[in-house]
Amino acid sequence: QSVLTQPPSVSGAPGQRVTISCTGSGSNIGAGYDVHWYQQLPGTAPKLLIYATDNRPSGVPDRFSGSRSGTSASLAITGLQAEDEADYYCQSYDSSLNVVFGGGTKLTVL
Amino acid sequence: EVQLLESGGGLVQPGGSLRLSCVASGFTFNNYAIHWVRQAPGKGLEWVSLVRGRGGSSDYADSVKGRFTVSRDNSKNTLFLQMNSLRVEDTATYYCAKDKSGVDGLIYYYMDAWGKGTTVAVSS
Repeated sequence: QSVLTQPPSVSGAPGQRVTISCTGSGSNIGAGYDVHWYQQLPGTAPKLLIYATDNRPSGVPDRFSGSRSGTSASLAITGLQAEDEADYYCQSYDSSLNVVFGGGTKLTVL
Repeated sequence: EVQLLESGGGLVQPGGSLRLSCVASGFTFNNYAIHWVRQAPGKGLEWVSLVRGRGGSSDYADSVKGRFTVSRDNSKNTLFLQMNSLRVEDTATYYCAKDKSGVDGLIYYYMDAWGKGTTVAVSS
């Protein structure tokens, strides 16, 4: 059981918009700690996608965006493309547990 | 270009030991904290440990505390993970990952570069 809760899977057709939620608690996201997102393409290492809620590293398309509210955060992907099919993980800091990850969400592009 | 390359994985029996290495390049190694993150087959990411750049103090997940020890040799840009008393549930791909960190040594607790990982299998 992960400290941060994500839906196991989401799907969408090319061109559509999908969102992935990440729910924490008062000791992590709710305490104001930053939320970050990673993309893991099949058979590869994770890659930083979004940092500090809504910031994109250089090279990440602006189709990817993040937001947060209360004890939750969300990743939105607009203009869905086949290459976006991957596992997505949220991550934060927890005052008791140090670094924590969500369980991951598998995105399927229909 | 920032690069991290893990090695040392393999098959080990329960109760055994293994030492992983992570060689870094492309950044001033001793300025940055480095994480170990693992991923069991078909499962999600699990944070394992963190070693700070300056001073080298470390933190561990409860699941490995007392069994795993992280260290670094800043002269060789290398990070180590000594894993003792290995259990079947330690079977995973182990990644080293660079913390964003600040030049002032501030740790940001997220990873902006990852290695490709090394696989550890614990089985009799």
